[in-house]
Amino acid sequence: DAGITQSPRHKVTETGTPVTLRCHQTENHRYMYWYRQDPGHGLRLIHYSYGVKDTDKGEVSDGYSVSRSKTEDFLLTLESATSSQTSVYFCATGEEGSYEQYFGPGTRLTVT
Amino acid sequence: AQSVAQPEDQVNVAEGNPLTVKCTYSVSGNPYLFWYVQYPNRGLQFLLKYITGDNLVKGSYGFEAEFNKSQTSFHLKKPSALVSDSALYFCAVRPPYSSASKIIFGSGTRLSIRP
Repeated sequence: DAGITQSPRHKVTETGTPVTLRCHQTENHRYMYWYRQDPGHGLRLIHYSYGVKDTDKGEVSDGYSVSRSKTEDFLLTLESATSSQTSVYFCATGEEGSYEQYFGPGTRLTVT
Repeated sequence: AQSVAQPEDQVNVAEGNPLTVKCTYSVSGNPYLFWYVQYPNRGLQFLLKYITGDNLVKGSYGFEAEFNKSQTSFHLKKPSALVSDSALYFCAVRPPYSSASKIIFGSGTRLSIRP
């Protein structure tokens, strides 16, 4: 976890409000990913980035947007939070050619 | 559809006994395979991977995994379990020719080692 930080670590918000989660890496990895973890579903990919300003959708992207203006930062925005977006969100990074991913500590988001 | 299955939600083993956590995949071609471990309130940590070569792969903390192409399986094993091995384990697969190193995760298996 040392090279990847996520903020905030915990957040409670109300339905309908926008929320932004931040992932910061010091590893200079090219690839960055946002996942959500829910019981019985493992990890599901929301969005990923393959370079600055280069992003694409994952399997559960509806209701989420991302931005990457610098190599080290990858932001996840819930445009209008819903209770179904209550989850634990993980950021991950990956190097070119190494295939494994490195995970941050996670953000627990509760939407009331 | 490409997928990864971990058929057991939970595996219980006595300390000192061998352990196996099962994983099967449904991906065409030659995938890359991974195991990750998650301790409470932490992110996932990489344990080991199979890319090519020897079917038996050794990883961190004494774990190993065996790739079986005919059975499309990649089971995680350890000869002698420790209480500290208790955690959530995820199998993952990277389909061949997938972009941006995307990988598909299984739903996870909770390993519980009793003293």
